Amino acid sequence: SQQGEEDPQALSIQEGENATMNCSYKTSINNLQWYRQNSGRGLVHLILIRSNEREKHSGRLRVTLDTSKKSSSLLITASRAADTASYFCATGKEQGAQKLVFGQGTRLTINP
Amino acid sequence: KAGVTQTPRYLIKTRGQQVTLSCSPISGHRSVSWYQQTPGQGLQFLFEYFSETQRNKGNFPGRFSGRQFSNSRSEMNVSTLELGDSALYLCASSANLDTQYFGPGTRLTVL
Repeated sequence: SQQGEEDPQALSIQEGENATMNCSYKTSINNLQWYRQNSGRGLVHLILIRSNEREKHSGRLRVTLDTSKKSSSLLITASRAADTASYFCATGKEQGAQKLVFGQGTRLTINP
Repeated sequence: KAGVTQTPRYLIKTRGQQVTLSCSPISGHRSVSWYQQTPGQGLQFLFEYFSETQRNKGNFPGRFSGRQFSNSRSEMNVSTLELGDSALYLCASSANLDTQYFGPGTRLTVL
């Protein structure tokens, strides 16, 4: 069963707007990662945040983690058409453990 | 460095057959994980190999198996294929530092 639940399941915005996706999980974690997938292809790693971190930035991406609420959010600023993809959160229970538990994903569409 | 490669990219099989998928990790990565992605169940962890040993295993039947070779390349095998095995099978490699790098996947269709 999936640990992560993502919200919303689908999001459609205009180019240039910000996109926010949320992820909730059920058990304690060591880290939470966000991945992007284009049209049923391989996943691209975006960012990893550890359980002792609250916020992390990478370019136009900002990730927050609230372990008390067991939730995370991914913010993409100044969206571009190329950001159109599915976004997945994945949790790792132990450091170095390679078993990731994925959410169902958010389908993001950027309209030109 | 070259990324994770998976072969074949597409595969069509019939029920009851078996299939072997191959994954070549990023050079220097010793951990290889396999995931199954379906529209209904999403992304699910199959197993992980590290230094030729299975280190983690997901909740899949014994028809799903894998192995890793001394050069870290990995194969997964599915025997007695069922219609429900139709999926995108993703391989990921890692230098054991949590971040996993995924290959393009093998799309398996079972008829």
